[in-house]
Amino acid sequence: KNEVEQSPQNLTAQEGEFITINCSYSVGISALHWLQQHPGGGIVSLFMLSSGKKKHGRLIATINIQEKHSSLHITASHPRDSAVYICAVRSAGGGADGLTFGKGTHLIIQP
Amino acid sequence: DGGITQSPKYLFRKEGQNVTLSCEQNLNHDAMYWYRQDPGQGLRLIYYSQIVNDFQKGDIAEGYSVSREKKESFPLTVTSAQKNPTAFYLCASSIFLQAYSNQPQHFGDGTRLSIL
Repeated sequence: KNEVEQSPQNLTAQEGEFITINCSYSVGISALHWLQQHPGGGIVSLFMLSSGKKKHGRLIATINIQEKHSSLHITASHPRDSAVYICAVRSAGGGADGLTFGKGTHLIIQP
Repeated sequence: DGGITQSPKYLFRKEGQNVTLSCEQNLNHDAMYWYRQDPGQGLRLIYYSQIVNDFQKGDIAEGYSVSREKKESFPLTVTSAQKNPTAFYLCASSIFLQAYSNQPQHFGDGTRLSIL
């Protein structure tokens, strides 16, 4: 089964700072998901990627297949970005749904 | 707007009671999933269904039951056999089963279950 590690576990930053959240996994994957969990608990899918880089607004996700590593970047961070960010990977050895989830990175952006 | 609706948002259960969590989707997705989230842990799969009238156990199915009588509905029952039911429960869906293809996962807002 794939092991998914996220770092840091907790991150507090000031408004406007550039944020990076990292995700590493142990075996080859076919896709990687970045999810955002709001303080109320609901989860929104941010990105699904299998190579290269994707950008949506102030969010950028990159993946390096050879190094088994992905990063989620937030430019010009804002307090409304405060949330838990979860990395999930789809691999042949995954669960019945094919996904293995990281434990999440709790991000707080202070005004 | 299409999406997933979970209800109730908060649920309290007495010892020995069964409770049912509702999950409805209007995305016309075939596959639906139930996850459990505990503090400091990743989401864990309880049950999943890839089509109406079919469902399969996930990694932590003991003490839970589901049904899939309609495409849009996938209720989860937490039975009295579940010894530690206090957790946050998330329902999700995808067009097809995630194990078969790369596709986005859509989630509901969750139900927080607590024992009185």
